Order: sequence, then C-alpha cells, then structure tokens
Amino acid sequence: GDSVTQMEGPVTLSEEAFLTINCTYTATGYPSLFWYVQYPGEGLQLLLKATKADDKGSNKGFEATYRKETTSFHLEKGSVQVSDSAVYFCALSDRGSARQLTFGSGTQLTVLP
Amino acid sequence: DAGVIQSPRHEVTEMGQEVTLRCKPISGHNSLFWYRQTMMRGLELLIYFNNNVPIDDSGMPEDRFSAKMPNASFSTLKIQPSEPRDSAVYFCASSPDSSNRDGYTFGSGTRLTVV
Repeated sequence: GDSVTQMEGPVTLSEEAFLTINCTYTATGYPSLFWYVQYPGEGLQLLLKATKADDKGSNKGFEATYRKETTSFHLEKGSVQVSDSAVYFCALSDRGSARQLTFGSGTQLTVLP
Repeated sequence: DAGVIQSPRHEVTEMGQEVTLRCKPISGHNSLFWYRQTMMRGLELLIYFNNNVPIDDSGMPEDRFSAKMPNASFSTLKIQPSEPRDSAVYFCASSPDSSNRDGYTFGSGTRLTVV
C-alpha cells in the first residue's frame, strides 16, 4: 500500500539557518504530493503541493520538488524564522489509496532566536 | 469563506459520559473526514464520507464511536460511553471532491479530555 516516510524529529535550528525535511514515498500510481504545517493548538494547513513529476511547489519561502526517480518530496527553506516553528507533515494522494491522503508521522521544527 | 468549523474547541467530560463533536465543512465540499491525533499514535483517519455517505469507517476504533452526516453541511462524531483513552484532538477536514487532488482543508480541532 501507499506510505510516506519523513525524517525523524525534532529538528532544532537557529534563525536564518537552512532547513531541509526529508520525505520519501511509496505509491502504486502517480500521486499528488503535499506538505502540511501544524502550528501549536491549530489544525493542519496546506503549505504547498505538487501534482506531477518535476513540479515544484512553493509558498511562504518553502519549496519542495516532486522527484519521481527518487520518490522524494523534500521540504526546503533558505532562511527559517522563529515563526516557522511547527510540525510539518508530508502527505500523498494516490489512486492506490482511493485518493485519500496518506500522511507521514510529522516532523517537529523548533527555530531559536 | 469561514473554513471548516468545529465545535466545541475544548471538551472535558467524565468517563462514561456521551460526547458529541460537531463539524461544518466548507460549502460545496463533497468529502468529509474525521481524524484523531495523539502523541502516541499520531494522525489517524477514523471515517470519511462522500456526498454524505460513509465510505470507509475501518478506522473507527470500536463500537463506542459513531459518526453521521445527515446533510452536506453538518457532521457529528459521537463517543458513548467515553473512556480516558479517548482523550485526543479530533479534527474534521473537507475536500471539494473524492479526487482529493487539492488536498484537504482542516478545522481547528476539538481537544477532548476524558477524566
């Protein structure tokens, strides 16, 4: 079945550091890929998405590129801020999972001033 | 657009009591999902509806849990009787259609504490 594997957290960075959160997936078809962010006490919010190979999703300075050859969708940001502290979830939507979203386990990011 | 609206935001109840969580999806969205989030088990899909019809309830933990969607703008998740291990944050989410091509929109959640 479909699955999403994220890098283990927690991740702690200093402000203005470069961020990478790794995400790899297993899917039977050609999935759509997503990154969601969850701020403390809130629900998950869609951060960015990509629907086909080589697509790059971007939002609020975050980027992720759909790499079919490596089945990856790593999240990156060039310079993190304290306000980026949150839990980040990678997810996919695939025909093999009846198009429901399959989520990774989440990665806690803390950015220190 | 008010987004997905859940109520209450917080619920504290005694073991054995009935608990009802409510959700109003985004207008025009045809798919609705109920999730549970805990530190131990992460995010779990409990049940989802398409056009008000339950499609997959395999994630509902046991018979104490039930969910309904009487119309396109309202859904409930009921726990009867509640137990301390049901303590979690319960999220409702909706999407425009079953393709889920654009992902889901989540509500802010209901934090349930059973004492």
